[in-house]
Amino acid sequence: GAVVSQHPSWVICKSGTSVKIECRSLDFQATTMFWYRQFPKQSLMLMATSNEGSKATYEQGVEKDKFLINHASLTLSTLTVTSAHPEDSSFYICSARVIGSYEQYFGPGTRLTVT
Amino acid sequence: GNSVTQMEGPVTLSEEAFLTINCTYTATGYPSLFWYVQYPGEGLQLLLKATKADDKGSNKGFEATYRKETTSFHLEKGSVQVSDSAVYFCALSELGQNFVFGPGTRLSVLP
Repeated sequence: GAVVSQHPSWVICKSGTSVKIECRSLDFQATTMFWYRQFPKQSLMLMATSNEGSKATYEQGVEKDKFLINHASLTLSTLTVTSAHPEDSSFYICSARVIGSYEQYFGPGTRLTVT
Repeated sequence: GNSVTQMEGPVTLSEEAFLTINCTYTATGYPSLFWYVQYPGEGLQLLLKATKADDKGSNKGFEATYRKETTSFHLEKGSVQVSDSAVYFCALSELGQNFVFGPGTRLSVLP
């Protein structure tokens, strides 16, 4: 079956530093990937839609200059949390849509803790 | 916009009890409907899905039927086990667009 990986699976960083999270489709190509955030004991909320070769589309209330998204190839999208603060601590999950299809698959998530 | 509502729980059941978690949705078109399960500290696992009205999704003893007339996709299991303790999310996606998730229902099954 289709597999999406995320790296790292967990990361701890200090306040003010930047963290990059990778989302890769391992056995299929994806022109569109979605980034979600899940705070503790809450549901998943869409942050942004990442399209290969173009700028990401951000949901209302998500700072595009803080959460930088780059979708440089058909198998990789990255989310960089810049100048991280403790309130950015969350579980970040991506999903990738199979090119030419409506099928989507989720990555395993990345747990970010900012100290 | 699209939205999903589900009973938030927590739900506590004894082993072998019958489980129902209600889910209703609002959508502008004809979405696909999903149930995902999340175990503590882990990511999402697809439990089952249905892509059109009257479809029944089933997996590991769980079932849900896509009811367009009541805009519902209730999750059921006839006999729960301790290992079913997790958070269950109802979700929809329309034509490959982003998922919209319900708030999640925390299930605890006691031995």
